Amino acid sequence: GESVGLHLPTLSVQEGDNSIINCAYSNSASDYFIWYKQESGKGPQFIIDIRSNMDKRQGQRVTVLLNKTVKHLSLQIAATQPGDSAVYFCAEPSNTGNQFYFGTGTSLTVIP
Amino acid sequence: EAGVVQSPRYKIIEKKQPVAFWCNPISGHNTLYWYLQNLGQGPELLIRYENEEAVDDSQLPKDRFSAERLKGVDSTLKIQPAELGDSAVYLCASSLDPDTQYFGPGTRLTVL
Repeated sequence: GESVGLHLPTLSVQEGDNSIINCAYSNSASDYFIWYKQESGKGPQFIIDIRSNMDKRQGQRVTVLLNKTVKHLSLQIAATQPGDSAVYFCAEPSNTGNQFYFGTGTSLTVIP
Repeated sequence: EAGVVQSPRYKIIEKKQPVAFWCNPISGHNTLYWYLQNLGQGPELLIRYENEEAVDDSQLPKDRFSAERLKGVDSTLKIQPAELGDSAVYLCASSLDPDTQYFGPGTRLTVL
């Protein structure tokens, strides 16, 4: 199956700083990616998505960048807050589009 | 709008015992998913329903796992008998379109 991986398993940032979470994917045919946030004891929550015809997409305090050349995407969180502490997953669809493959996840800790 | 509801939230059983998880999806969502999430890992799809039909159960260990969604709404996932390696979080998700899945809080299973 496809491989979705993350460069760093853990990330600690100071409150107010920007956070960058990276993700590598292996299927060059993937045309859609999603970032999820999972807080302790909760299910994954959709943050932002991006289609392969875009290089960048911005949301509220979050930006996703997609580099199809190197099959890499990143999630940038501006002015990181304690409430951003969670595990972040990137996900890409299977070849059939019927399911998503999730990466291992990066645990973000915000230091007050 | 109520989200995906799962119960119980926590379950501790001894190995070889049966266990069942229940999921109530978001109203109107035809697609329902059951995922397995091991500690520190991303969710892995077990089974996907379109209404009452299981359209993708290729990753469900059918020797001990079973699922049903009799009226196309609520769903149950059963394990019989449970093994030590089944300890994990079992997530239910629902969607109107495959790109946007809404996850429940999960059931954390501990098999002793």
